[in-house]
Amino acid sequence: EVQLVESGEDLVQPGGSLRLSCAASGFTFTNYAMSWVRQAPGRGLEWVSSIDGSGSSTYYVDSVKGRFTISRDNSKSTLYLQMDSLRAEDSAIYYCAKIDSGSFLAAFHIWGQGTMVTVSS
Amino acid sequence: DIVVTQSPDSLAVSLGERATINCKSSQSVLYSFKNKNYLAWYQQKQGQPPKLLISWASTRESGVPDRFSGSGSGSDFTLTISSLQAEDVAVYYCQQYYNTPPTFGGGTKVEIK
Repeated sequence: EVQLVESGEDLVQPGGSLRLSCAASGFTFTNYAMSWVRQAPGRGLEWVSSIDGSGSSTYYVDSVKGRFTISRDNSKSTLYLQMDSLRAEDSAIYYCAKIDSGSFLAAFHIWGQGTMVTVSS
Repeated sequence: DIVVTQSPDSLAVSLGERATINCKSSQSVLYSFKNKNYLAWYQQKQGQPPKLLISWASTRESGVPDRFSGSGSGSDFTLTISSLQAEDVAVYYCQQYYNTPPTFGGGTKVEIK
């Protein structure tokens, strides 16, 4: 069974840092691009970042460029999101999602349950 | 960035009746060379992550009931629930993956009348 399990939920102060993890199982991790998608409370879905299967290509939404870093460890089948200089508007549930392809141009096929990030003083 | 607009924001439909959700993109998401529309539909029930229902505008995912169907091409798309069931109460999102950044519509909340 394909499964994605996020971790890293926390309450952090503005300007702080946090690293999210997503453990993948049930598929050949290195063959698929992966993404982070977030959802602020009561709001819609917003794509945050994607990384290709090898980890050599990454993309970010403009609002997090220079602050967030996506990475992956294919030996551990794990996806990461390093979040620095956090702002209140980054508060959201962060979902890890498997892209249905090795490239970025495909749907988000499988989603994790999400992990909550709260940025507040 | 491609802007994706859904309508209506919400709708209430009687059990067994048809529900129709519209999705419009600010530019075509049809990749002519492959004759594929780079558009997906997701269902999100309360307290759950989104679930992929339809990709390539009209290809239903395995296990998705056939009362769900996607149609359209270019920049205008529709998700139809042919006979609404109680378990279909959810928010539905369309999303384009024609280019980066991938963008979502604002969502349509479907309720029982």
